[in-house]
Amino acid sequence: DTEVTQTPKHLVMGMTNKKSLKCEQHMGHRAMYWYKQKAKKPPELMFVYSYEKLSINESVPSRFSPECPNSSLLNLHLHALQPEDSALYLCASSPNPTGTGGNTIYFGEGSWLTVV
Amino acid sequence: AQSVTQPDIHITVSEGASLELRCNYSYGATPYLFWYVQSPGQGLQLLLKYFSGDTLVQGIKGFEAEFKRSQSSFNLRKPSVHWSDAAEYFCAVGLNFGNEKLTFGTGTRLTIIP
Repeated sequence: DTEVTQTPKHLVMGMTNKKSLKCEQHMGHRAMYWYKQKAKKPPELMFVYSYEKLSINESVPSRFSPECPNSSLLNLHLHALQPEDSALYLCASSPNPTGTGGNTIYFGEGSWLTVV
Repeated sequence: AQSVTQPDIHITVSEGASLELRCNYSYGATPYLFWYVQSPGQGLQLLLKYFSGDTLVQGIKGFEAEFKRSQSSFNLRKPSVHWSDAAEYFCAVGLNFGNEKLTFGTGTRLTIIP
């Protein structure tokens, strides 16, 4: 089973709202990721957590705040977003953050975010 | 830094015909290569991957890909496409360790006509 579960599937929020996207995996993976995908574009990496610690932040604006409460969960807290932040947000996980290479990243179905 | 080029933005193929999607990469060391498929409104599904060994790799849904180091290519093939194969296809390359920074190509949109 290579399942990454994301909720909600769709989210509409105002520019002054605070909301969160959630991601869960029960594969024992120790790396988790957030990607952003705009229409007709490839996914762009936002954050990487390795062993529950933030290891990569691709210069993402602070209105996006990731959190990894434990090895199975990953959240993305959203606050004061802009309409241009509307996109598909993909969570992903992989077994081994470092070392041996050949790490396969498995993606969830994504959360469609619309900022109005 | 690594990069991936998918030269075909959009390909149209008749159902039952063969398919080849092109992918070229630029990376100084041995790459780790992936093909993902994304159906409309969905997440990315891994089709196949190449890490080492046999340069012809088999994936799900009848897809295969061949790694050619001399041409820096990792083209995806299917002998006979089905209408359900209509989707966006992304080639990606990862680093030697962890593959935390997957680099994606711009994608190829596949349309299937009856």
